[in-house]
Amino acid sequence: GEDVEQSLFLSVREGDSSVINCTYTDSSSTYLYWYKQEPGAGLQLLTYIFSNMDMKQDQRLTVLLNKKDKHLSLRIADTQTGDSAIYFCAETRGYQKVTFGTGTKLQVIP
Amino acid sequence: GAVVSQHPSWVICKSGTSVKIECRSLDFQATTMFWYRQFPKQSLMLMATSNEGSKATYEQGVEKDKFLINHASLTLSTLTVTSAHPEDSSFYICSARDRLFSQTGANYGYTFGSGTRLTVV
Repeated sequence: GEDVEQSLFLSVREGDSSVINCTYTDSSSTYLYWYKQEPGAGLQLLTYIFSNMDMKQDQRLTVLLNKKDKHLSLRIADTQTGDSAIYFCAETRGYQKVTFGTGTKLQVIP
Repeated sequence: GAVVSQHPSWVICKSGTSVKIECRSLDFQATTMFWYRQFPKQSLMLMATSNEGSKATYEQGVEKDKFLINHASLTLSTLTVTSAHPEDSSFYICSARDRLFSQTGANYGYTFGSGTRLTVV
């Protein structure tokens, strides 16, 4: 079945850039997502990328996709304390269920 | 943007009772909704896929008689945890896929509800 892996924890200083990495196994993935979850809350879609794209930039967020290596990353520029949360990458083949990664807890140190 | 309302946000119930959780798409129609369960510090595990007007599709290992899903309209899906036990205590999250997604191919993402914290005592 599909498998999505992430590192569990990342700590950065406020103002620095954060890079959260994700690897997936399903070569048929069509859409790849990054979600943010704050404590006790649901998931907020941050951004997504189609599998035929290499990069997508949205304000402070940059998504890089290496389809050959099945590697996805999320870069957050000028990380703020409000960015502290758990970040999930996820993938889907389009009309099917979404498979989530294990989640990366981002800690921003003031 | 698309909004999914999930209710209640938290609930405490006694063992043996049933609890119903509602998931509503407020500004779009959702032919498909998904129910997830999340244990502390863990990822989301898909429990079932709910299709409007038909039976839900349950993931392996999920008891369909215990977790009853009803998707009677394009804007409402419900999850009922029957005869709840302490081990059912968890964070339950629904998500909905915009009906337009399957027609136009446009990607609206999967909009999530805010989750329900269930505690069975």
